[in-house]
Amino acid sequence: KQEVTQIPAALSVPEGENLVLNCSFTDSAIYNLQWFRQDPGKGLTSLLLIQSSQREQTSGRLNASLDKSSGRSTLYIAASQPGDSATYLCAPLYNGNQFYFGTGTSLTVIP
Amino acid sequence: GAVVSQHPSRVICKSGTSVKIECRSLDFQATTMFWYRQFPKKSLMLMATSNEGSKATYEQGVEKDKFLINHASLTLSTLTVTSAHPEDSSFYICSAKPGQQNEKLFFGSGTQLSVL
Repeated sequence: KQEVTQIPAALSVPEGENLVLNCSFTDSAIYNLQWFRQDPGKGLTSLLLIQSSQREQTSGRLNASLDKSSGRSTLYIAASQPGDSATYLCAPLYNGNQFYFGTGTSLTVIP
Repeated sequence: GAVVSQHPSRVICKSGTSVKIECRSLDFQATTMFWYRQFPKKSLMLMATSNEGSKATYEQGVEKDKFLINHASLTLSTLTVTSAHPEDSSFYICSAKPGQQNEKLFFGSGTQLSVL
């Protein structure tokens, strides 16, 4: 079974800081990897999707990188804001249909 | 982006009753939908993959007779928790994706099930 680990499990930073969330996966044979945001008691919102052939993707203040061979992805958030407070999940895709979710990083941005 | 609607958002039921949760793709056809379960402060656990017009594929350890999945159309999948018990209380989320391969996943807003 695939294992996806996210470090740190929780993070608290003052507003304005740049931060990095880490995701590692045991099986590097992925098709793509997606980063999601989840607010308490809500569904998931897709933030970025990186195809296995790509090294990074950017959307606004978010940048996600992928090192497929080492089984790692990072999500970089620039100039963090209180509205960024949420749980962030990474999910590599295998076999065209099987997504496996990481354990999540709970982020709190303090005003 | 694509929209996935999930209902109800919250349900409270008595032990022994059955509860049906609906997941609809509103603006795209989804040949495949996924059902997840999430415990407090934990990540999502894939329960089953729902394929339109065929039987669902359940993950190891998930009771298919307890969690009935029906995917009768390209825009609707339902999860029925049969004879619910308090240990079935959880947050259930569905997702769907357009197309066949390597596409983004879009999620419903989730259903909080509480079994008394």
